[in-house]
Amino acid sequence: DIVMTQSPLSLPVTPGEPASISCRSSQSLLHSNGYNYLDWYMQKPGQSPQLLIYLGSNRASGVPERFSGSGTGTDFTLNISRVEADDVGIYYCMQALQTPTFGQGTRVEIK
Amino acid sequence: EVQLLESGGGLVQAGGSLRLSCAASGIAFSSYAMSWVRQAPGKGLEWVSVISGSGDSTKYADSVKGRFTISRDNSKTTLYLQMNSLRAEDTAVYYCAKSMVYDKEYGMDVWGQGTTVTVSS
Repeated sequence: DIVMTQSPLSLPVTPGEPASISCRSSQSLLHSNGYNYLDWYMQKPGQSPQLLIYLGSNRASGVPERFSGSGTGTDFTLNISRVEADDVGIYYCMQALQTPTFGQGTRVEIK
Repeated sequence: EVQLLESGGGLVQAGGSLRLSCAASGIAFSSYAMSWVRQAPGKGLEWVSVISGSGDSTKYADSVKGRFTISRDNSKTTLYLQMNSLRAEDTAVYYCAKSMVYDKEYGMDVWGQGTTVTVSS
């Protein structure tokens, strides 16, 4: 199985400031079709997960522009350009190149 | 409005069986792959299984292979998860989720509210 490792596991943030979460995979997620099979999900407290980014860098419908995904191969990053209070929650990366596996999750909280 | 509504969770003894359902509305159900994802109490997300839009292709996590069976009835726009030989470690909230495409697990853009399964040992 492909192992997904996120860092940090806890991220205190200041509203208005940028934030980033790293996700590394034990194998390259770059398919021969040129796509990286890496998604980012966010789970707000008490809610179901929601899709933020798919195929490495594509923002899902309705997701604010302050969220962006980058990276290729084994190293990926989720960036939040200016954190808002509503961004509090747990962020997960997930690979879908093989049988899907999630990262451990990164808890984002307001300082 | 796009909606996924899970049902069928409950308390079951170890070794028992349970069948989860996920009723979809507001989407062209047969056009999308559907997955089950679970979350044990206080833990992270674990992908469980996926089925293609037509239902002719399925995939499972190693932890449930041979015990769980995913299926769908496109005429009823409903997804199912038959869970047999349940273990304490299967205790979790089970979410159904719609993929963005017909036959892949990525881009799960619609999620249900979840149904809770508790396996007592």
